[in-house]
Amino acid sequence: EAGVAQSPRYKIIEKRQSVAFWCNPISGHATLYWYQQILGQGPKLLIQFQNNGVVDDSQLPKDRFSAERLKGVDSTLKIQPAKLEDSAVYLCASSFHQGRPPDEQFFGPGTRLTVL
Amino acid sequence: AQSVTQLDSHVSVSEGTPVLLRCNYSSSYSPSLFWYVQHPNKGLQLLLKYTSAATLVKGINGFEAEFKKSETSFHLTKPSAHMSDAAEYFCVVRRGGGGKLIFGQGTELSVKP
Repeated sequence: EAGVAQSPRYKIIEKRQSVAFWCNPISGHATLYWYQQILGQGPKLLIQFQNNGVVDDSQLPKDRFSAERLKGVDSTLKIQPAKLEDSAVYLCASSFHQGRPPDEQFFGPGTRLTVL
Repeated sequence: AQSVTQLDSHVSVSEGTPVLLRCNYSSSYSPSLFWYVQHPNKGLQLLLKYTSAATLVKGINGFEAEFKKSETSFHLTKPSAHMSDAAEYFCVVRRGGGGKLIFGQGTELSVKP
């Protein structure tokens, strides 16, 4: 079974530029998560989708970050414009469903973003 | 509000000696707790999980953790470290009935030959 796919693996941009990350979850997984992991810290949830609907985006900086999952499968996270403090690894995870209890989350390898 | 505190940012052991990674949690009710491992340039992998069944939880690669409510702890142990265990380890609590995971700061485990 293929795991969670993310691209690109690495990205370097100048501040105020835009960037987009792509995630393809495990086939059949209804729930998709985007996490931000700043160097030296644990991952922090940015947004959670259930199919194509947003379940939790309370930690997403909505003035510059946006995410979509239009067909309930793959997802895109965008930053516009980027700031220096956005330098981090962006992790995508998926789980089969958000029942009780929720299923295990499977993580992708992440996209390492460097903002200069 | 739920949170976890990993008491050591870095632990160094010799190969073949025991591993102890410490985690304390804070939760207003019975939590779901997890340990994840992150090897360099690889995705996070679930080691084990506690969901109010047995208090001693066995995971993959010989790791186990014990849920101690009286001490609000969920320490990760392994009897004998292997070089391949060198990685970053995260203690995690799940918030409520949904899927949101709250990660600790991480403990970097080094294993010396």
